[in-house]
Amino acid sequence: GNSVTQMEGPVTLSEEAFLTINCTYTATGYPSLFWYVQYPGEGLQLLLKATKADDKGSNKGFEATYRKETTSFHLEKGSVQVSDSAVYFCALSAGTALIFGKGTTLSVSS
Amino acid sequence: EAGVAQSPRYKIIEKRQSVAFWCNPISGHATLYWYQQILGQGPKLLIQFQNNGVVDDSQLPKDRFSAERLKGVDSTLKIQPAKLEDSAVYLCASSPPRSGNMGELFFGEGSRLTVL
Repeated sequence: GNSVTQMEGPVTLSEEAFLTINCTYTATGYPSLFWYVQYPGEGLQLLLKATKADDKGSNKGFEATYRKETTSFHLEKGSVQVSDSAVYFCALSAGTALIFGKGTTLSVSS
Repeated sequence: EAGVAQSPRYKIIEKRQSVAFWCNPISGHATLYWYQQILGQGPKLLIQFQNNGVVDDSQLPKDRFSAERLKGVDSTLKIQPAKLEDSAVYLCASSPPRSGNMGELFFGEGSRLTVL
């Protein structure tokens, strides 16, 4: 069946460090891929998406590239800020329902 | 634009009691979802509505969970009787017409249920 696996957290970084959160997926067909973020005390919100192979999604300095050959959609940011502290969820859509990974908690200190 | 509204934010009940959660989606959003998020896990879809019809309820434990979306606007999720393993955050989300397939969902802040 369809599933998403993302790296275990928590991830703890200093401000301005480079961030990578790994995400791999299993799916039949050609899913769309997403990163959602949940800031403390807020609801889940879409961070970025990619709908086909080799697409790059980007938003707020975050990027992720849809790699069909490695079935991956890793999230990266060149220089994290304290305000990026949140829980990040990788997800796929194979049809209409989103399937989420378990989430990775990011904590950034100044 | 008002976001997805959910209530109550927190609820504590004893096992075998019943509970109901309410959701009001963003105006004009035809598709409404209920997700269950157990601590340490990602959200899991319970049920999806398109207007007032059910699109997918394959993962809804129908012996104890029920949901309705009368008039195609707000929705209620009920659990009766509750079990300890139902302790979770219940997330409501909505999406505008034709974007549901693209995974762009708008989530409420969730209703946290604790079953003792």
